Amino acid sequence: KAGVTQTPRYLIKTRGQQVTLSCSPISGHRSVSWYQQTPGQGLQFLFEYFSETQRNKGNFPGRFSGRQFSNSRSEMNVSTLELGDSALYLCASSLFRQGAREQYFGPGTRLTVT
Amino acid sequence: DQQVKQNSPSLSVQEGRISILNCDYTNSMFDYFLWYKKYPAEGPTFLISISSIKDKNEDGRFTVFLNKSAKHLSLHIVPSQPGDSAVYFCAASAIDTGANSKLTFGKGITLSVRP
Repeated sequence: KAGVTQTPRYLIKTRGQQVTLSCSPISGHRSVSWYQQTPGQGLQFLFEYFSETQRNKGNFPGRFSGRQFSNSRSEMNVSTLELGDSALYLCASSLFRQGAREQYFGPGTRLTVT
Repeated sequence: DQQVKQNSPSLSVQEGRISILNCDYTNSMFDYFLWYKKYPAEGPTFLISISSIKDKNEDGRFTVFLNKSAKHLSLHIVPSQPGDSAVYFCAASAIDTGANSKLTFGKGITLSVRP
């Protein structure tokens, strides 16, 4: 079974621009969560989507948004990029919202904002 | 407010010896705990988990111990191998009243296993 895929793997953007990242979950998984990883901060939860609805949201500004499609694929968008948004963005999928807690991660998208 | 804490940023052990990675948490609502392993340029890989109704879970060379009264868990790797060198993240989850579930991660600990 194919794992979680994320595109693109690397991205360089300029301050003020916007960016869209894509995530395809493991086949059959309906929950998709997004995390931001920066040096020294570990993984910070951004949001979770299940059945095309945002179910949970972390403490990030409104510039960070996401959506999920009917095939469970998900996108996240960051508008008006800031230098501090440079990070590894990880997507994780899981079978259910609760019960099965293990989340399976993709390789991430490395975003650099200059 | 760091609800999951991995206070030691790094650990170095000799190949064949035991590696003990520690994790503390503050939120008493956490009822499920996980360990992930991460290599550079890859996403975290799920290693092992434990429910709060247990105090030990074992899977091959990996054992996780949970001490609920101390709000402490640890990951034991025996015997340690050079391929175990990676960053290890402790994570915890709780289902809130809204039936939402999310993972709260520690900042990670870098394990180096010396040949």
